[in-house]
Amino acid sequence: GNSVTQMEGPVTLSEEAFLTINCTYTATGYPSLFWYVQYPGEGLQLLLKATKADDKGSNKGFEATYRKETTSFHLEKGSVQVSDSAVYFCALRGVQGAQKLVFGQGTRLTINP
Amino acid sequence: DAGVTQSPTHLIKTRGQQVTLRCSPKSGHDTVSWYQQALGQEPQFIFQYYEEEERQRGNFPDRFSGHQFPNYSSELNVNALLLGDSALYLCATLTRQGAGNTIYFGEGSWLTVV
Repeated sequence: GNSVTQMEGPVTLSEEAFLTINCTYTATGYPSLFWYVQYPGEGLQLLLKATKADDKGSNKGFEATYRKETTSFHLEKGSVQVSDSAVYFCALRGVQGAQKLVFGQGTRLTINP
Repeated sequence: DAGVTQSPTHLIKTRGQQVTLRCSPKSGHDTVSWYQQALGQEPQFIFQYYEEEERQRGNFPDRFSGHQFPNYSSELNVNALLLGDSALYLCATLTRQGAGNTIYFGEGSWLTVV
């Protein structure tokens, strides 16, 4: 079945540092890939998405490129801010069946001033 | 444009009781899914409703049931509550019109079972 594996957390960085959160997936065909962010006590917000190979999703300074050859969708940001502190989930939606999401285990990110 | 709205936001129930959670989809969305997110874990798919029918179900017991109304809103019902049902319950909606559509989440309903 489909699965997503994320970089183990928690991750702690200083403000303005470079961020990478690794995400790899297993799926048949060409799934759609997503990054969602969850701030404390809140629901999930879509951060960015990519629906086909070599697509780059971007939003709020975050980027991720859909790499079919390495089955990866790593999240990057060049200069993080304290307000980026949250839990980040990588997710995929398969091509078959209902429109459900399969999530990675989440990565807790803390940015220190 | 209203997003996905859920109610109630927080509730406390006793073991053995029953609970109903509600979801109104984002405008234009016709498909509703429910996810359970235990503390510190990723969301897990419970089931999905489209055209008032359950279309797919995750690995959850029959104590979890749902309904979708003609206006696309949905309810999640959980019977015979267990302590382990304590979690954030998330509603997610999308439209099946077109391809590659984004799934949007509500803020969730926090359920505590004591």
